[in-house]
Amino acid sequence: KQEVTQIPAALSVPEGENLVLNCSFTDSAIYNLQWFRQDPGKGLTSLLLIQSSQREQTSGRLNASLDKSSGRSTLYIAASQPGDSATYLCAVRQYSSASKIIFGSGTRLSIRP
Amino acid sequence: NAGVTQTPKFRVLKTGQSMTLLCAQDMNHEYMYWYRQDPGMGLRLIHYSVGEGTTAKGEVPDGYNVSRLKKQNFLLGLESAAPSQTSVYFCASSSPPPLDEQFFGPGTRLTVL
Repeated sequence: KQEVTQIPAALSVPEGENLVLNCSFTDSAIYNLQWFRQDPGKGLTSLLLIQSSQREQTSGRLNASLDKSSGRSTLYIAASQPGDSATYLCAVRQYSSASKIIFGSGTRLSIRP
Repeated sequence: NAGVTQTPKFRVLKTGQSMTLLCAQDMNHEYMYWYRQDPGMGLRLIHYSVGEGTTAKGEVPDGYNVSRLKKQNFLLGLESAAPSQTSVYFCASSSPPPLDEQFFGPGTRLTVL
């Protein structure tokens, strides 16, 4: 059974630092992996989608990597800003199945001004 | 372009009452999903649909029913609400794989007394 883990559950860093959020999964037979951010009381906003054949995706200050063999994905945030404060979730879609989408519990990120 | 919308935003029910949550998307997506989000449990898939007229069970379908009569709408029904169904409900939509980036609605906060 696929399990998706995000450690740490919470992280606080000063503004301007580069940081890495982690996502690990137990079954490497994934179709893709998606990173989201969720602001308090809001829905999820898609950040990056990485297909299983890709190693990384970039959008602005965000870079997501995928290593299926080790069951890991990282989300790199460059030059963090207070507006980056949110909960970040990763979700794994099992191979070509609409129902097999497993979410991690998220990392709550706080950027200190 | 509104993306994914959900109505209502908030609702309080008494045990045994029924209600329907409406999800609408204007991105012409084939796939639609209903999730619930609970503290400590993360996001869990309730039901999903891979096209108009189709529905399927997800991870936690008991106590819920769904219908997809039109491609743009996905309804979630609670026939006899229970306190265990107190949660935040999110709808999402996507294209079929490989372009299956999920887009989420803002959520419905439901309390069952």
